[in-house]
Amino acid sequence: EAAVTQSPRNKVAVTGGKVTLSCNQTNNHNNMYWYRQDTGHGLRLIHYSYGAGSTEKGDIPDGYKASRPSQENFSLILELATPSQTSVYFCANRDRENTEVFFGKGTRLTVV
Amino acid sequence: QQKVQQSPESLTVSEGAMASLNCTFSDGTSDNFRWYRQHSGKGLEMLVSIFSDGEKEEGRFTAHLNRASLHVSLHIREPQPSDSAVYLCAVSRWNTNTGKLTFGDGTVLTVKP
Repeated sequence: EAAVTQSPRNKVAVTGGKVTLSCNQTNNHNNMYWYRQDTGHGLRLIHYSYGAGSTEKGDIPDGYKASRPSQENFSLILELATPSQTSVYFCANRDRENTEVFFGKGTRLTVV
Repeated sequence: QQKVQQSPESLTVSEGAMASLNCTFSDGTSDNFRWYRQHSGKGLEMLVSIFSDGEKEEGRFTAHLNRASLHVSLHIREPQPSDSAVYLCAVSRWNTNTGKLTFGDGTVLTVKP
């Protein structure tokens, strides 16, 4: 079973609607991250967290909120979705001691 | 803010010929450098992670790091058509609380039979 799982894997949303992307980890690491990847580009950091109750802004936070209600769960929230937020979103966590980064399989979001 | 640039944007090689990809970064305090492979429409597969100057080999993939030159490269020995993918360089200051990865935009590698 994958250590980091994302849901949903695919989502179509309407402009102006609210979207919540969920990420769950089973390997109990403090740091979790949300990235987006646009076609032809690398991943860019939106928000991250140091642990339950913590959320921090990444490099491109505008239009997004994050929530970390527990060690296991880290959500990305689009309160008012726009077509420019159409992208693939990846969740990840970090095992600092073992120098590993675990990525989810990604969520493809289309805002119409 | 860290800037990571990859070159070339695209590369075509023949099966069996060495493929060499480049990555430059702007933050000289960076201490971890990773190469990922991403097949079309798929997730990220880590190929090699390097912390120290010099080289690190993982199977057919070798990373070379020169922090003074702000440069890390990836060499793929005996590439196969199944290696055709986007290759992403990621750089971080691993030994900080944040430890975030900053990615380049990738190199599209095509391996012709």
